[in-house]
Amino acid sequence: AQKVTQAQTEISVVEKEDVTLDCVYETRDTTYYLFWYKQPPSGELVFLIRRNSFDEQNEISGRYSWNFQKSTSSFNFTITASQVVDSAVYFCALSSFNQAGTALIFGKGTTLSVSS
Amino acid sequence: EPEVTQTPSHQVTQMGQEVILRCVPISNHLYFYWYRQILGQKVEFLVSFYNNEISEKSEIFDDQFSVERPDGSNFTLKIRSTKLEDSAMYFCASRRGVDGEKLFFGSGTQLSVL
Repeated sequence: AQKVTQAQTEISVVEKEDVTLDCVYETRDTTYYLFWYKQPPSGELVFLIRRNSFDEQNEISGRYSWNFQKSTSSFNFTITASQVVDSAVYFCALSSFNQAGTALIFGKGTTLSVSS
Repeated sequence: EPEVTQTPSHQVTQMGQEVILRCVPISNHLYFYWYRQILGQKVEFLVSFYNNEISEKSEIFDDQFSVERPDGSNFTLKIRSTKLEDSAMYFCASRRGVDGEKLFFGSGTQLSVL
């Protein structure tokens, strides 16, 4: 069975602080994909990143960076110099590689509140 | 960027009534999904649809639910006899079909069952 655990329910930081959102996953598949989505207060789901299980290179995109460690089944997300606009719910998700139609399984999400 | 379109954005219905939530996936996409999110909770998978049939469904997707792609562009979710616990945000999503490709989500339909 596949499972995604986001142990942090809520995180509050002050602007310009760095913050890391944790994601731990479980899967029996040897190949799989991991995702992060952002859900701002307006409610839509915004794609942030996709990573396949073959690629353990960390990725940086502006203030965002992702640390994928297969050995610990973790795919953590760091926001550097957080801003108020980063306030949102962040979901980590997992999907199998073998079936193109397989659904994403989401974690419960981490609510990030950034205050000025 | 192309968008998945959902209508209506809000739907209020009485318990026991039938509702149909509508979605227009991105035109060259082949895989379609419905997810729901009860207020404050995680996004839960309901069903996936490919080649005019359900390819996968969750335990939530019981006999009260059905999906249809009636005309090659729309993708609908029908709830036959709504219950209070069906109140949630329902998201439609689609993707072209390449393994691991990201899902494009619609902006959701907020369903309130009274």
